[in-house]
Amino acid sequence: DIQMTQSPSSLSASVGDTVTITCRASQNINKYLNWYQQRPGKAPNVLIYSASTLQGGVPSRFSGSGSGTDFTLIITSLQPEDFATYYCQQSYKTPLTFGQGTKVEFK
Amino acid sequence: QITLKESGPTLVKPTQTLTLTCTFSGFSLNSRGAGVAWLRQSPGKAPEWLTLLYWDDDERYSPPLRGRLSIMKDSSKNQVVLRMTDMDPVDTATYFCAHLISGSGHEHFDYWGQGTLVSVSS
Repeated sequence: DIQMTQSPSSLSASVGDTVTITCRASQNINKYLNWYQQRPGKAPNVLIYSASTLQGGVPSRFSGSGSGTDFTLIITSLQPEDFATYYCQQSYKTPLTFGQGTKVEFK
Repeated sequence: QITLKESGPTLVKPTQTLTLTCTFSGFSLNSRGAGVAWLRQSPGKAPEWLTLLYWDDDERYSPPLRGRLSIMKDSSKNQVVLRMTDMDPVDTATYFCAHLISGSGHEHFDYWGQGTLVSVSS
């Protein structure tokens, strides 16, 4: 199985900040990497797919980059609705696997 | 507009079989590139992928759970059914179904159901 490791596990930030979350795969997954946001009590919602493609309807303050084993999600000008948990997920091969999550909290 | 909704029991006893139904609309599971997956999530944990059914009837399963899972579709009803045998308290989680979209080999879950909490207890 491909292991996905996110860092940090949690972070504290303020509205307007820029936040960076990283995700590392245990093997080369090319650009088969997706990012999801999950708010409490809700299903995950895709933000970025194929490492850097913004899902329709997702604000442009979200961006993704990377390929191979190292990936980054950047949120610029953090908004109140962005305080949530973020997961990376590889779609290179089954079993599909997720990172452990990064919780973005109010500072 | 794609929607999915999970239905099934909220409580099952240990050793029983769980049957969950995902009723969807807005797409056809016979359309190339479509898939429906089941995932689950325990409180405070990341989502865990369980199984996936592609438009061409290809089935994929999580290796540690493969012997306990089955996925099947009823195209006439726009439903996908998950069966999970020999339930244990550690299987207590919120179970989601999700639409998978494939394009140029890249896949992601673009629509999810609201999830249904399943507790396993005697």
